[in-house]
Amino acid sequence: DGGITQSPKYLFRKEGQNVTLSCEQNLNHDAMYWYRQDPGQGLRLIYYSQIVNDFQKGDIAEGYSVSREKKESFPLTVTSAQKNPTAFYLCASSKRRNTGELFFGEGSRLTVL
Amino acid sequence: GESVGLHLPTLSVQEGDNSIINCAYSNSASDYFIWYKQESGKGPQFIIDIRSNMDKRQGQRVTVLLNKTVKHLSLQIAATQPGDSAVYFCAEGLEGGADGLTFGKGTHLIIQP
Repeated sequence: DGGITQSPKYLFRKEGQNVTLSCEQNLNHDAMYWYRQDPGQGLRLIYYSQIVNDFQKGDIAEGYSVSREKKESFPLTVTSAQKNPTAFYLCASSKRRNTGELFFGEGSRLTVL
Repeated sequence: GESVGLHLPTLSVQEGDNSIINCAYSNSASDYFIWYKQESGKGPQFIIDIRSNMDKRQGQRVTVLLNKTVKHLSLQIAATQPGDSAVYFCAEGLEGGADGLTFGKGTHLIIQP
């Protein structure tokens, strides 16, 4: 079955540590996105990529980094510079740029201890 | 499951009844609107979209209504089923792509047996 796979589903981190969240898709989609979701809040865009080896900052990119070395993969690193990293992180993809029809993974819950 | 439903407006309906979920959007320039469904512990799922040149669009058991005059969007779900229990949120944007979407905070729909 085609889809988006995020891992790990749950992750705990000590303050000051970087952590990388994995996102893989086998939908052959060009565009990929990372969102952050906090309780009672709308999704906020962290980074997005329309094509391999290219990505752009979203609304809340500070403290995060990404790479897009392969079409299928778009990992997100939460760095120690992110002041409030505890959140639910969602990866998504879309077949083409000019659509809001996003396909989401099941999310990764990061907790900073 | 994830606590994304905390502090959200809640709508409770009896199984088999119709439900209407409302969304007020903020940007009068938005020309593309989408509804997503998010079940507990999962990523959001695309339900239906509508462009600003339409005021109504129907899908399977769902209808989206758009009133641009008052910047209001609604999602009607007919003959609700237990599987419809979820958080529903709208998104607004320009038809340029998902990177410009603004997501609402959501409404928690509870289906009573």
